Amino acid sequence: GAVVSQHPSWVICKSGTSVKIECRSLDFQATTMFWYRQFPKQSLMLMATSNEGSKATYEQGVEKDKFLINHASLTLSTLTVTSAHPEDSSFYICSARDGGGREQYFGPGTRLTVT
Amino acid sequence: GQNIDQPTEMTATEGAIVQINCTYQTSGFNGLFWYQQHAGEAPTFLSYNVLDGLEEKGRFSSFLSRSKGYSYLLLKELQMKDSASYLCAVMDSNYQLIWGAGTKLIIKP
Repeated sequence: GAVVSQHPSWVICKSGTSVKIECRSLDFQATTMFWYRQFPKQSLMLMATSNEGSKATYEQGVEKDKFLINHASLTLSTLTVTSAHPEDSSFYICSARDGGGREQYFGPGTRLTVT
Repeated sequence: GQNIDQPTEMTATEGAIVQINCTYQTSGFNGLFWYQQHAGEAPTFLSYNVLDGLEEKGRFSSFLSRSKGYSYLLLKELQMKDSASYLCAVMDSNYQLIWGAGTKLIIKP
């Protein structure tokens, strides 16, 4: 089956620093990748959708200058949280979809804690 | 607007059957997904329905009625490991997933 990996699985950083999270599709080409954020006991919130080689489409209320998304290849997308603050602490999950499919394959998630 | 409704929490007994309902109103319809999410983990795919009717997969079955904007996930022979949140998601006309808030299922011995 399709496998998506995320790295790191958890990270603790200091307020004001930047953190990069990688999302890789291991055995398929992900033409579209999605980035979600999930706060405790809440559902997934879509942050942005990225297509390989083009700029990401951000959901309303998500700051594109704060959450930088790069989808440079068909197997890799990165999310960089810039100038992180404690309120950015959350569970960040990526998912990927290949060109012809409808199912989204989820990565294991990255737990970010900003101190 | 687009909306997915499912109960916030349900409780069931080990060995029993539970049905988790999901109603939706979306701009277009390209299928309905059910995902299982254990606490602290990412969602895992359970089922996909795009045509009306029942899809059975082992202990789990999913039903869809497009005319009613309604689906349910049926879990049989419940096991303690089935304690998780179950997320209903609808793919709209833009092939975007619209997510429900999830149903937390608590299994009691």
